[in-house]
Amino acid sequence: SYVLTQPPSVSVAPGQTARITCGGNNIGSKSVHWYQQKPGQAPVLVVYDDSDRPSGIPERFSGSNSGNTATLTISRVEAGDEADYYCQVWDSSSDHQAVFGGGTKLTVL
Amino acid sequence: QVTLKESGPVLVKPTETLTLTCTVSGFSLSNARMGVSWIRQPPGKALEWLAHIFSNDEKSYSTSLKSRLTISKDTSKSQVVLTMTNMDPVDTATYYCARMGLELREFDYWGQGTLVTVSS
Repeated sequence: SYVLTQPPSVSVAPGQTARITCGGNNIGSKSVHWYQQKPGQAPVLVVYDDSDRPSGIPERFSGSNSGNTATLTISRVEAGDEADYYCQVWDSSSDHQAVFGGGTKLTVL
Repeated sequence: QVTLKESGPVLVKPTETLTLTCTVSGFSLSNARMGVSWIRQPPGKALEWLAHIFSNDEKSYSTSLKSRLTISKDTSKSQVVLTMTNMDPVDTATYYCARMGLELREFDYWGQGTLVTVSS
């Protein structure tokens, strides 16, 4: 089955740029989606189809996807961005199922 | 507006069958452009996708849990039901239902989740 690999944690100072990676075999050929989850809350879609933002999501959130790595970039990080972030794809190669990465805890120093 | 809400037992015993219901509003389960998935999250752990049902009643299941899961829908009631057999304490988790777009397969709306504890 398809596997997505994320770093367990990323730390960044306020105002700086955070980059969270999501690795997968030829992930560049897939549509990658990113979710933000704060403690005690349901996940929220922040980037879909590699780099598009749902309405209401700040422009500070952006994404890219190429080769074996997709990246969520958060510019001008704020304290309120501290959360867990998950990448997700749909694996239609064999199993036809959704796959989530293991999640990355973003800490704002 | 689009909403999803999970309901079901908060506590089940080992070996019992869990039945969860997701009641949706703001869209129809017959809409060909979307479907509904169940996703769970054990305390302190990552999200795990379980199952999905499309508008045409086609179903997909997690490979690792397929033998224990059944997903179904009642379009007239706007409900999606998940059953999971032979529950075990490791199945203790918050269970979410979420709407998924057909084209890109993103989860754009989520329910609030319901915590299910498996214990005797």
